Formats: sequence, structure tokens, C-alpha cells
Amino acid sequence: ETGVTQSPTHLIKTRGQQVTLRCSSQSGHNTVSWYQQALGQGPQFIFQYYREEENGRGNFPPRFSGLQFPNYSSELNVNALELDDSALYLCASSPGQRGNTGELFFGEGSRLTVL
Amino acid sequence: AQKVTQAQTEISVVEKEDVTLDCVYETRDTTYYLFWYKQPPSGELVFLIRRNSFDEQNEISGRYSWNFQKSTSSFNFTITASQVVDSAVYFCALKDSSYKLIFGSGTRLLVRP
Repeated sequence: ETGVTQSPTHLIKTRGQQVTLRCSSQSGHNTVSWYQQALGQGPQFIFQYYREEENGRGNFPPRFSGLQFPNYSSELNVNALELDDSALYLCASSPGQRGNTGELFFGEGSRLTVL
Repeated sequence: AQKVTQAQTEISVVEKEDVTLDCVYETRDTTYYLFWYKQPPSGELVFLIRRNSFDEQNEISGRYSWNFQKSTSSFNFTITASQVVDSAVYFCALKDSSYKLIFGSGTRLLVRP
């Protein structure tokens, strides 16, 4: 069983640029969630996708957007990067409908540094 | 409002000591789930346990045990006979009727040889 994989693992961008992060969900999982974890803090929910539709969003501005593909993999896009966007971005997948099972399986994250 | 509080930011113990990580939560929902995750330096969050709000039985898994008390809104995690490999950041999390997990700020555990 393949776990959740994320790419790239590390990247550096400058303020104002755009970034795309990618996530392959665990086999059999149709729900993907994205979390932002700033240094020294707990993960914060960005949004969740179920069968290619966004079905829940946290307190993040519209410049944070996402996609889910028919194979349930997902992308997180962040436009107009700001210094505060520097964080570890975690993708999590789950097998339940609309994430109601609660248990999430996380990837190792993509560490974004904005200079 | 939903909230998870982990008041201990960092704990340092010597190997073989027992250690308890505290977690206090807030929610208005009567149905909810509580979780503990471990985050090693690699960054991946490793699932340890899930508890639903209707099951207050304490659970033991090897050296790990969990104490869920609805009366005090607490879900504490104890590691018995700690080992160096237990060193990590531990997060308590809450899921109620919303889509998301709400995490505490984490407790960094350092187990010294």
C-alpha cells in the first residue's frame, strides 16, 4: 500500500511569486486535505477536496487554491506569495466520504521558504 | 468555538521515566473525535489514536496509554518507560461536525539517554 507522497520536499521562492505543491493520496482514498504548519505551531486547515470538489475551507485568503484530479491526487496553489506563507504544507488523505471518519494519513510535507 | 490547548510546550525527561502529555479541548458538539499524532523530525504526522466522544474507556497500547475524561474535557497521553525514539512533537487534535482537524500547538518531548 503506497502512502501519501508530496512534492517537492523543499523549495524557496521570493515574495510575489506563485507556487504549486503536489500530493498523491494513499491508494483507495478519495478525500484530500491540506494543512499549513508554521514553525513551532500546530497544523492549520486550509481546505479539503472530495471527488474533485472543494467541500470545506479554513480561514485562508483566495490566493490559496487547489485542485483534485480524477485519480484523487491534488495540488495546492498559492499566488502572490508573502513572507508569512513560509511553512510546512501537509497533505492528508482519508478513505471516508467528506472526511467524516476523521482519521487522516499525512505525507511528509513540502517545506516552503519565501524570501 | 472549537479549541485544543496543549499547555506544555516542551518536556525533557531521562530515558525510562514516565511522561504525561496534557490536552484540553473545547467544543459545543456532542459527537466529536479526539486524536493524538506524533511528528518526528521528518515532518510526517503519524497517527497514534482516535477516540470518539461516546467512548470514555481508557486505552493502552504497549507503552502508550490514553486517559479521556469528558468531565474535564481532557484527553491526556502517557508514555511509560520512555525511550529516546519517543523524542518528537506530539499533537492533540479535535474533529467535530466540521470537515477539519483542529490541532493544538504541540508538545515537544525530548527523551535523554
